[in-house]
Amino acid sequence: KNQVEQSPQSLIILEGKNCTLQCNYTVSPFSNLRWYKQDTGRGPVSLTIMTFSENTKSNGRYTATLDADTKQSSLHITASQLSDSASYICVVRGTSGTYKYIFGTGTRLKVLA
Amino acid sequence: DVKVTQSSRYLVKRTGEKVFLECVQDMDHENMFWYRQDPGLGLRLIYFSYDVKMKEKGDIPEGYSVSREKKERFSLILESASTNQTSMYLCASNPGVGVLYRREQYFGPGTRLTVT
Repeated sequence: KNQVEQSPQSLIILEGKNCTLQCNYTVSPFSNLRWYKQDTGRGPVSLTIMTFSENTKSNGRYTATLDADTKQSSLHITASQLSDSASYICVVRGTSGTYKYIFGTGTRLKVLA
Repeated sequence: DVKVTQSSRYLVKRTGEKVFLECVQDMDHENMFWYRQDPGLGLRLIYFSYDVKMKEKGDIPEGYSVSREKKERFSLILESASTNQTSMYLCASNPGVGVLYRREQYFGPGTRLTVT
């Protein structure tokens, strides 16, 4: 069964600290993996998208990594800010099916001053 | 910038009412989606449309129907609202052509529906 699992479920860090969020998936065949940021009460907004040939992709203070062999991805946030408080969702798309995006349940991050 | 808008941010309806949720996108995207999001669960696909008047059931279509009369507009209909349909509803769109991995989904702001 195609699944996407994220850890931890929630995380609290102090402003200025770094953190890493994990995503493991079993989706096969694999097309791409995306990380989204979702502020409370808002729709998800894309941070990065990676295909199987990309190992690392950065978007400002956000850096995503992908290991297609072990089917793992991580999202690293550097020098966290209060505005980073949100849910971070990992989404994997397979190559079959027109619409099949598999969503993780997200990691809820809270950054404290 | 792609814009996906949803007709309401918050909605409160009574059990048994017919509910319409509207979604409009301005990027001429072929594909449009309706998801619901509940705590502890990932986004779950209700319905998908790949063209005007075309639709496909997603993972949880029971109790819902959809309408796509124009390319830019995709409506979700709750025929007879029930309390277990209280949820956050998210609309999304993406282009139907182009390299597969570039077909990013763009989400609307969501509608928080409460059925009492």
